[in-house]
Amino acid sequence: QVQLQESGPGLVKPSETLSLICTVSGGSISSYYWSWIRQSPGKGLEWIGYIYFFGRTNYNPSLKSRATMSVDTSQKQFSLKLSSVTAADTAMYYCARSIAARPGEYFFDHWGQGTLVTVSS
Amino acid sequence: QSVLTQPPSVSGAPGQRGTISCTGSSSNIGAGYDVHWYQQFPGTAPKLLIFGDNNRPSGVPDRFSGSKSGTSASLAITGLQAEDEADYYCQSYDNSLRTWVFGGGTKLTVL
Repeated sequence: QVQLQESGPGLVKPSETLSLICTVSGGSISSYYWSWIRQSPGKGLEWIGYIYFFGRTNYNPSLKSRATMSVDTSQKQFSLKLSSVTAADTAMYYCARSIAARPGEYFFDHWGQGTLVTVSS
Repeated sequence: QSVLTQPPSVSGAPGQRGTISCTGSSSNIGAGYDVHWYQQFPGTAPKLLIFGDNNRPSGVPDRFSGSKSGTSASLAITGLQAEDEADYYCQSYDNSLRTWVFGGGTKLTVL
């Protein structure tokens, strides 16, 4: 059974960069797309972006190029960096495996437990 | 305000049928994109409940079913049980926003 685990600082100062890592266990990181999704009381669930196992990325345009994702297949990890954070970026951040039943029709079949990130000075 | 609109809450008595709607537009559900549904209990991550409009992953009871028509989709739960009390979210793709989008979530209460 595939399991995902997020890790990273729970507190980030405004204008700094949020950095999170997701570790995959119990399955292969190859041949899948891996996403970051966040959930906040004000904005609900929001897809941030995905990365394919060989590095191809796609980001939510609403993040205005602040998001950067990378993957380390040897460690079975992928990461998220979100720059110039504000209080609006305070949320529970989830990593998830993305699956497509049809080309481009992605959904999220395995999720990490989530990590709460607060942006505050 | 989410791109996909769900009622904030629905309720039903044990054994009854519950339905949760998800209303979109011509750039998402109406464009024919698949709708997926997730179940979330307090303090836990969302769990995939329905994918590709009306398919259940292994382990999801057949009391849960999905449907889609025009710019809307629905999640139906037959034989409501107390353990079904949770938040439910729909998800699809929006070709105008060029991103995968979620509904605002619906809290199901089993009376």
